[in-house]
Amino acid sequence: GAGVSQSPSNKVTEKGKDVELRCDPISGHTALYWYRQSLGQGLEFLIYFQGNSAPDKSGLPSDRFSAERTGGSVSTLTIQRTQQEDSAVYLCASSPNSGSGTEAFFGQGTRLTVV
Amino acid sequence: GENVEQHPSTLSVQEGDSAVIKCTYSDSASNYFPWYKQELGKRPQLIIDIRSNVGEKKDQRIAVTLNKTAKHFSLHITETQPEDSAVYFCAATTSGGFKTIFGAGTRLFVKA
Repeated sequence: GAGVSQSPSNKVTEKGKDVELRCDPISGHTALYWYRQSLGQGLEFLIYFQGNSAPDKSGLPSDRFSAERTGGSVSTLTIQRTQQEDSAVYLCASSPNSGSGTEAFFGQGTRLTVV
Repeated sequence: GENVEQHPSTLSVQEGDSAVIKCTYSDSASNYFPWYKQELGKRPQLIIDIRSNVGEKKDQRIAVTLNKTAKHFSLHITETQPEDSAVYFCAATTSGGFKTIFGAGTRLFVKA
């Protein structure tokens, strides 16, 4: 595929259930980001992966949130025991990162609704 | 921690007027400053960027300026058109040139 792919595009879940959101970055991109965007709001940084380095998890809002990136490619964001305030669009982005900063390419997002 | 502040949060202009959005960043080691446009229901997309060794960059109706001393950078849109209506995000890379932190966004309305 040519771009960043996220699945599912929409997810409705009951409060208290766990959810997994998937991101397939552009092939060869070493950097991968997860952001959260609540309705009408900005992009809240969640977590950042760069190559084989330890991820920067400083943006994760609570220990219910976790993410992993297998083989330096696909990433999964997991939210345990979902709460209504977790409802948002979760955006993934990848970047080739040459070391001096490069464009981040965004996926279409996963719209999560916790009912 | 790293922080990017963006103003104003909402901007309304008449078609043909100019629009200016301003951002400040906290990490003096930041060296890359992209701007993204997000149309309603769509993903953010890069519209212009500037690196720390340049003070100004222009692309048709869009220009960005950077003041590294003051840690300010701005987006200027001239001759605005209704299709410029969107949310605009500034961003800055943190030290090391990797992690990208976004501003809160500016919702621009261009009235025909």
